[in-house]
Amino acid sequence: EVQLVESGGNLVQPGGSLRLSCAASGFTFSSNAMNWVRQAPGKGLEWVSSITGSGGSTYYADSVQGRFTISRDSSTNTLFLQMNSLRAEDTAVYYCANSPGFSGSHFAFWGQGTLVTVSS
Amino acid sequence: EVVITQSPPTLSVSPGERATLSCRASQRVNSNLAWYQQKPGQAPRLLIHSASIGATGIPARFSGSGSGTEFTLTISSLQSEDFAIYYCQQYNNWPFTFGQGTNLEIK
Repeated sequence: EVQLVESGGNLVQPGGSLRLSCAASGFTFSSNAMNWVRQAPGKGLEWVSSITGSGGSTYYADSVQGRFTISRDSSTNTLFLQMNSLRAEDTAVYYCANSPGFSGSHFAFWGQGTLVTVSS
Repeated sequence: EVVITQSPPTLSVSPGERATLSCRASQRVNSNLAWYQQKPGQAPRLLIHSASIGATGIPARFSGSGSGTEFTLTISSLQSEDFAIYYCQQYNNWPFTFGQGTNLEIK
């Protein structure tokens, strides 16, 4: 059974940093691209970032380019999102999701999300 | 960036009836389109990928069609558990983009 469990969400001040984690199990982690998607309160889904199965290629939404960094550790089957220079508009539930295959594809399974609140 | 437009924003349908949801892309995305269902307080769930292929465990009453720029999700006979928000997403071009969602509500 595929499981994706996010953690690391918290209340942080504007300009601060946070690191999200997503623990994966139930599938071959290194063979799947991985993704972060966020959802602001009462709003729709926004793709944030993706990383290929090898970790060799990364992709970012314009809204987070230069501030967020996606990475993965195949030794622990964990996906990360390092978020710097946080803004109020980054407040959202952050979901990780896997994609079949090594590169970009649909988002097959989703975690339950972790809440990031950026506020003073 | 590929802009995805879903219509209608809200759809009111009675249980047992058919629901048809639309998704339009601003440029061709081939068949690289997925549909997701989201219920309040829950994570999204994949329903359809590659425009028309049902995800594992998804009931047969859910079907997808279309290619290029016009896509449709059809729910043949609505059950109470189907009332939710539905999103489509293109994954043909970076950045991957979602539509704004269709809220399927009970009539």
